[in-house]
Amino acid sequence: AQRVTQPEKLLSVFKGAPVELKCNYSYSGSPELFWYVQYSRQRLQLLLRHISRESIKGFTADLNKGETSFHLKKPFAQEEDSAMYYCALSYNTDKLIFGTGTRLQVFP
Amino acid sequence: DTGVSQDPRHKITKRGQNVTFRCDPISEHNRLYWYRQTLGQGPEFLTYFQNEAQLEKSRLLSDRFSAERPKGSFSTLEIQRTEQGDSAMYLCASSTTTGAYEQYFGPGTRLTVT
Repeated sequence: AQRVTQPEKLLSVFKGAPVELKCNYSYSGSPELFWYVQYSRQRLQLLLRHISRESIKGFTADLNKGETSFHLKKPFAQEEDSAMYYCALSYNTDKLIFGTGTRLQVFP
Repeated sequence: DTGVSQDPRHKITKRGQNVTFRCDPISEHNRLYWYRQTLGQGPEFLTYFQNEAQLEKSRLLSDRFSAERPKGSFSTLEIQRTEQGDSAMYLCASSTTTGAYEQYFGPGTRLTVT
């Protein structure tokens, strides 16, 4: 069955420190991978998707098919990055399968 | 258009009662999705529509749950004979068919069953 695993419930770093939020997936085909973010009191929104190969708000994520991973990285965390981050998988371009999420706390 | 809207934002009901939630998608989006999110978990897929056709339902969607999108615009999700285990945040999302990769989420309806 398709599954997304985010092993860390909470990740705490200081401002300026590098950040890596881990995401592993299980799917035998070629999935689409996404990172969604939810800031406090805001709705869930797309941060980035692997097909775009873009950097959003300084975040990047590379799909590693060999390791079935899609880790989210940022070299220098900012306080405004504090939020809940969800990794998600989609196939056949319809429903999303989400991980359990990682709360990122960035301390000043 | 201010994005996907959901009504009500909060609903408290007693066990055994029926509840209905509404979702208004972004106007030009023909795909509409329902998800459920419980505490400490990510959103879980329930069902989705393309226009008025319901194309897939999760096994999470028991017989007490029904969703409709009669005119291909807004959608309703009804839960009959609510149980305490139905307490959750119910999220709606919409997307276009092409570029269906990005789903735009509503604020959710938080259901509490007492």
